[in-house]
Amino acid sequence: AQSVAQPEDQVNVAEGNPLTVKCTYSVSGNPYLFWYVQYPNRGLQFLLKYITGDNLVKGSYGFEAEFNKSQTSFHLKKPSALVSDSALYFCAVRDGRNTGKLIFGQGTTLQVKP
Amino acid sequence: DGGITQSPKYLFRKEGQNVTLSCEQNLNHDAMYWYRQDPGQGLRLIYYSQIVNDFQKGDIAEGYSVSREKKESFPLTVTSAQKNPTAFYLCASSIGDEQYFGPGTRLTVT
Repeated sequence: AQSVAQPEDQVNVAEGNPLTVKCTYSVSGNPYLFWYVQYPNRGLQFLLKYITGDNLVKGSYGFEAEFNKSQTSFHLKKPSALVSDSALYFCAVRDGRNTGKLIFGQGTTLQVKP
Repeated sequence: DGGITQSPKYLFRKEGQNVTLSCEQNLNHDAMYWYRQDPGQGLRLIYYSQIVNDFQKGDIAEGYSVSREKKESFPLTVTSAQKNPTAFYLCASSIGDEQYFGPGTRLTVT
């Protein structure tokens, strides 16, 4: 069965420092991977996706993610964090049965301190 | 959140009452989804619909019902059979790989 794990409940970084939010996955076949961000009491916003091609995917707001097949990981990164990046981040994988369904990780809270 | 509306933003109900959450999209998307979000548990899929007049149960469908009579609308009814209905409910739609989310409805049942 497809699954996604985000091993950290919370990540704390100082403004201006690089940030990484971790995600590992388990799928049969080729993975379709996504990152979403959620601000308090709001819906989720799409950040980026990996379907195929270059392992480094660039997305919205300066975020990027690195797909690593051997480690079954899809970590979210940003070279220089902003206080406004503080939010809840979700990694997701598409259900392999071509239904369009997404399976979400439990979420990681990113706290960027000034 | 553009293109998908959920109403109301906050909803309060007494235990034992059914309640219907609205979800409307003007994106002309075929597929629509309902998720439930609880702290520390991520999003769990309740129901989804890939086309009008058709829908399937997700992972936690018990105590919920849906309809898809129109392409743009996918209302969710939380019935009295749902044992723990207090949660944040998110609706989404998609065409292709990405899902687009509404702003959510926070339901509190007391």
